Amino acid sequence: DAGITQSPRHKVTETGTPVTLRCHQTENHRYMYWYRQDPGHGLRLIHYSYGVKDTDKGEVSDGYSVSRSKTEDFLLTLESATSSQTSVYFCAISEFGAEQYFGPGTRLTVT
Amino acid sequence: QQPVQSPQAVILREGEDAVINCSSSKALYSVHWYRQKHGEAPVFLMILLKGGEQKGHEKISASFNEKKQQSSLYLTASQLSYSGTYFCGTEIPQGAQKLVFGQGTRLTINP
Repeated sequence: DAGITQSPRHKVTETGTPVTLRCHQTENHRYMYWYRQDPGHGLRLIHYSYGVKDTDKGEVSDGYSVSRSKTEDFLLTLESATSSQTSVYFCAISEFGAEQYFGPGTRLTVT
Repeated sequence: QQPVQSPQAVILREGEDAVINCSSSKALYSVHWYRQKHGEAPVFLMILLKGGEQKGHEKISASFNEKKQQSSLYLTASQLSYSGTYFCGTEIPQGAQKLVFGQGTRLTINP
């Protein structure tokens, strides 16, 4: 299994608070992705990174920002959490932009 | 634009066959297939590249019709372990190194 961890695994936060989710890999893969998964919507790309400090927006990037200062870490930040951001968040990595390997997910609840 | 999967759900008895379709309104360059079991992360199954390529994975195979902009996943003699939600992901545009996923097809295999 690809070495991907996400932290925290579960989080409950209040509307308006900032939240940062962390994805950490030990595979030295170039590409990293953040998805959210909601019932009926499948997996939707939030942001992705194609190298250190190189990031780009995905389909549902509004309200989210990312940073990648090291190859192994990709951070997703919700500047001011809203109830619509309650979801399961998955990080994924890929070496050549081909098959993606997913982390275990973070369940975020915004009350 | 999100590819469309059909059917949305299917229930089978062990040993029966299933077909899951993935269609896109845009030109496809590659199609990825993933399986996700309840409460777990998606797991990569296979990639198909343009050219009508077929691939197999255990008793799971897939085809890719570039002209029709669609891919199909075939599960033969289904096993209980095949239960889960199947997602197709399409790379748009070519070389984008990112995927747009369909909404998923829930497959239930009963003994």
